[in-house]
Amino acid sequence: DAGVTQSPTHLIKTRGQHVTLRCSPISGHKSVSWYQQVLGQGPQFIFQYYEKEERGRGNFPDRFSARQFPNYSSELNVNALLLGDSALYLCASQRGPISGYTFGSGTRLTVV
Amino acid sequence: AQKITQTQPGMFVQEKEAVTLDCTYDTSDQSYGLFWYKQPSSGEMIFLIYQGSYDEQNATEGRYSLNFQKARKSANLVISASQLGDSAMYFCAMRAETGNQFYFGTGTSLTVIP
Repeated sequence: DAGVTQSPTHLIKTRGQHVTLRCSPISGHKSVSWYQQVLGQGPQFIFQYYEKEERGRGNFPDRFSARQFPNYSSELNVNALLLGDSALYLCASQRGPISGYTFGSGTRLTVV
Repeated sequence: AQKITQTQPGMFVQEKEAVTLDCTYDTSDQSYGLFWYKQPSSGEMIFLIYQGSYDEQNATEGRYSLNFQKARKSANLVISASQLGDSAMYFCAMRAETGNQFYFGTGTSLTVIP
């Protein structure tokens, strides 16, 4: 079985631009969570989606948004990028909303 | 609020020796889970071990064991017989039983020396 797939693996954006990150969960997993990991820190919770509904949101500005599609894949969108948004963005999939996580390898975003 | 504290930014261990990575936590929840993840340079977070707050026995998974002391709110990871491939960042994390998010510590960088 394929694990959690994230794309792209790396990207570079300019301040003020918009970015879309994508995540495909493990087959059969209906929940996707997004985390931001700034260099030297542990991951910080951004969103959780279960059955296409938002189940939780971390302390992030409205520039961050996400959605989950009928096939349970998910997109994380960040508008008006700031230098501080440079981080590794991790997606984790779960069978249910309180099941254990399986993480993807992440998308490394650099904002210049 | 939940908080995880890892006070060891970096640790070194000789190959084949055991090492303990420290983790303390703070929570007002009665039921919660404690997790350890390994993050190699590739970035993926790899699940190692889980301990439930009501589990009376310390969790073990192969060479990994969790030294759980509930009264002291500590959940230290013990890696026995260290291998070169164990070199990575290690994160302690917590989630309330009914919660939907993990709270992570700042991590410990482990280097295994041949």
